[in-house]
Amino acid sequence: DVKVTQSSRYLVKRTGEKVFLECVQDMDHENMFWYRQDPGLGLRLIYFSYDVKMKEKGDIPEGYSVSREKKERFSLILESASTNQTSMYLCASRGIAGRSDTQYFGPGTRLTVL
Amino acid sequence: QKEVEQNSGPLSVPEGAIASLNCTYSDRGSQSFFWYRQYSGKSPELIMFIYSNGDKEDGRFTAQLNKASQYVSLLIRDSQPSDSATYLCAGYNQGGKLIFGQGTELSVKP
Repeated sequence: DVKVTQSSRYLVKRTGEKVFLECVQDMDHENMFWYRQDPGLGLRLIYFSYDVKMKEKGDIPEGYSVSREKKERFSLILESASTNQTSMYLCASRGIAGRSDTQYFGPGTRLTVL
Repeated sequence: QKEVEQNSGPLSVPEGAIASLNCTYSDRGSQSFFWYRQYSGKSPELIMFIYSNGDKEDGRFTAQLNKASQYVSLLIRDSQPSDSATYLCAGYNQGGKLIFGQGTELSVKP
């Protein structure tokens, strides 16, 4: 089974703080993703990575950065947290499903910025 | 037009009934489709995938794909209260990006 873990289930931070969200997968997958999910807006892709040290912007990268120094670990960084970044953050890893592949999600981190 | 569309619901069915969840897609080149279940406050969990036209059954779940009409559906037989969740449909577009629908909320009433 694919296992994707995230460093925290719940996180409360203050406006202006630097926030690190970490994601680890144990299946040697090359592709990893960060999403945020908000009511009525669905899943929105923030950043993704095809390989170590490689990153690509998703649909809403503003206010975020990422780091992928090791294949199993993909970090999302909020340089200066703002209240509009309060959300559920979901990490995913791309792996095999039948004869195709799809994304497997971590448990999520619910971030509240005060 | 959204690439993958679902009715947001909520869809309410009585316990023991068949729940039918539908999804349409705009990219005719899409080949692979996935259904995820997401309980409130939890992350999406893959429950079904389908690549070929027709039906694919797994226990109480049946996924259906009709490429000519560009729709995908998920049937849940003998619905249980524990099936109450949001169901996300997803498919790859020709650019290789996995596109998620907004999800359909299902409520199964005892």
